[in-house]
Amino acid sequence: DTGVSQDPRHKITKRGQNVTFRCDPISEHNRLYWYRQTLGQGPEFLTYFQNEAQLEKSRLLSDRFSAERPKGSFSTLEIQRTEQGDSAMYLCASSLGPPGQGNSPLHFGNGTRLTVT
Amino acid sequence: AQSVTQLDSQVPVFEEAPVELRCNYSSSVSVYLFWYVQYPNQGLQLLLKYLSGSTLVESINGFEAEFNKSQTSFHLRKPSVHISDTAEYFCAVSDSGYNKLIFGAGTRLAVHP
Repeated sequence: DTGVSQDPRHKITKRGQNVTFRCDPISEHNRLYWYRQTLGQGPEFLTYFQNEAQLEKSRLLSDRFSAERPKGSFSTLEIQRTEQGDSAMYLCASSLGPPGQGNSPLHFGNGTRLTVT
Repeated sequence: AQSVTQLDSQVPVFEEAPVELRCNYSSSVSVYLFWYVQYPNQGLQLLLKYLSGSTLVESINGFEAEFNKSQTSFHLRKPSVHISDTAEYFCAVSDSGYNKLIFGAGTRLAVHP
């Protein structure tokens, strides 16, 4: 169990640029989640995948945001035309199954901190 | 829709004192409840969870939480804290479809010598 890995750890970009983040979940985990966390707030749900299928997207996720999980392994989160309001910590988590099912807690990565200038 | 309220944004406490971090939730269906901890510069880690059965759940490092359905609460307690417990603590509830977690805003626990 090497844990959930996120890359990069930090990203500074100028307003209007596109950015892409990567998440590598724990290898046998079917579920993969993206959350966003701003200063002083808890993680806010963005989207989740069951294998390669994106099953739910939050209304927070504008059309500038897109996430993929090709082949049900790693996932990418892309933000197009970044805005200063996109500055946040983007968290990825994975689990064997739904949160309450058996022994399948969410395992979180250390996050990617995005700063839009 | 489910929601979580953590009533204290910061809790300062002296080492070896007891502590309670409060969490209330709202839901129209049965829920699963969780506490996650985030140590400085680390990712969130599961501390303990309530799925069913005994309403009192414990973690390996001395924390416990009690599910109170009538008060819709899941407060976290520890009888004697250590400096190493300094961290941010997040309460979370499952959504109505039991597919994802909804988190509170967090409580920063600061343990002083």
